[in-house]
Amino acid sequence: QSALTQPASVSGSPGQSITISCTGTSNIVGSYKFVSWYQQHPGKAPKLMIYEVSKRPSGVSNRFSGSKSGNTASLTISGLQAEDEADYYCCSYAGSSISYVFGTGTKVTVL
Amino acid sequence: QVTLKESGPALVKSTQTLTLTCTFSGFSLSTSAMRVSWIRQPPGQALEWLARIDWDDDKFYSTSLKTRLTISKDTSKNQVVLTMTNMDPVDTATYYCARIDGSGTHIEYWGQGTLVTVSS
Repeated sequence: QSALTQPASVSGSPGQSITISCTGTSNIVGSYKFVSWYQQHPGKAPKLMIYEVSKRPSGVSNRFSGSKSGNTASLTISGLQAEDEADYYCCSYAGSSISYVFGTGTKVTVL
Repeated sequence: QVTLKESGPALVKSTQTLTLTCTFSGFSLSTSAMRVSWIRQPPGQALEWLARIDWDDDKFYSTSLKTRLTISKDTSKNQVVLTMTNMDPVDTATYYCARIDGSGTHIEYWGQGTLVTVSS
């Protein structure tokens, strides 16, 4: 299954907002509402940040938000902080026959 | 408190079979809607989903790797085992086990991962 496409890198200054896109085909992203986002700091395991497109797990800052339009899902980080510098991966669950498809990953740099 | 920990060899040779064990706590795989997956990440590269096993012993595999993968569980030991045959240097990666949420749509908890290097 082809990976979802993300920009390789996104940067912003502290306090700014940035958006990471995640684009797939209609049968992977467009038709399903099960897109999740993971944050991964160097040498660490990923951490769930957003699930089912726009839901935040308990304990995740409300500076993180998710949305979807057509075949593209997006993660927005508002009020960018130094601790947000990490790699971010989207993932779409498109049913048991396709299961889980990850994005190519985006490195977020806080300038 | 849910925890998962991967264990297995750090180094395997080409053509060998890799066996990884995920030992978890804080939940039981005999409980309805519990699911555990394996995901891997080559150095500097993206995550790749490998396999999933459910509480009712349903099993799902990556389409590209399904001929090489077998996932199983030992409910009494709170363990999930992944075997991957015919290992190749391109299979060098950190292998994670993780718990999938009750609806099956996303990964709630991750293990710390274990790096497996395949030598030629």
